Amino acid sequence: NAGVTQTPKFRVLKTGQSMTLLCAQDMNHEYMYWYRQDPGMGLRLIHYSVGEGTTAKGEVPDGYNVSRLKKQNFLLGLESAAPSQTSVYFCASSYESGSGYNQPQHFGDGTRLSIL
Amino acid sequence: GQNIDQPTEMTATEGAIVQINCTYQTSGFNGLFWYQQHAGEAPTFLSYNVLDGLEEKGRFSSFLSRSKGYSYLLLKELQMKDSASYLCAVRDSNYQLIWGAGTKLIIKP
Repeated sequence: NAGVTQTPKFRVLKTGQSMTLLCAQDMNHEYMYWYRQDPGMGLRLIHYSVGEGTTAKGEVPDGYNVSRLKKQNFLLGLESAAPSQTSVYFCASSYESGSGYNQPQHFGDGTRLSIL
Repeated sequence: GQNIDQPTEMTATEGAIVQINCTYQTSGFNGLFWYQQHAGEAPTFLSYNVLDGLEEKGRFSSFLSRSKGYSYLLLKELQMKDSASYLCAVRDSNYQLIWGAGTKLIIKP
């Protein structure tokens, strides 16, 4: 059981370039999330999805776009990368948050992204 | 605003007990999670509290006081592999997780 898989694991971009981070989960979870983790700060939610075809903004959505065309996949796009987007990006998934209050989020191994 | 406070770093000795505190101020409360994160790895779920009191899971226990906005994670019989960051997260009224910056725990022989 692979759980949550993120690709790529590392990437270096130049300012202004675009890229897409891929997240796939095989646990049939409804909810999926994209976070960024920066030194000295807690995980910050970028965007999330409560089901196939739905997306919503989190705490720090600017400069990012997402899509959830299939239940198992959640894509994070950077249209024009900026140095401030240098970070470690984590994807997570969980059962629905409403009725399953104690369902934890399961995380992928992260994507380390550097913008020069 | 919403805020989760944890100590930045703690040091403890192998075989000892350590308590990592977490205080929170959030818009609503729908449960508190503790995660462990080894350097360069993903966070992994440790425990969940939604009612006041102590939840025990082997060497790890977590306590919650909703009236005080306070939780702690207690690690017993510390092992070198427990060296990691410990993240506290609160689910708010919108069922979103608000994360603390984490406590880096260093275990010395």
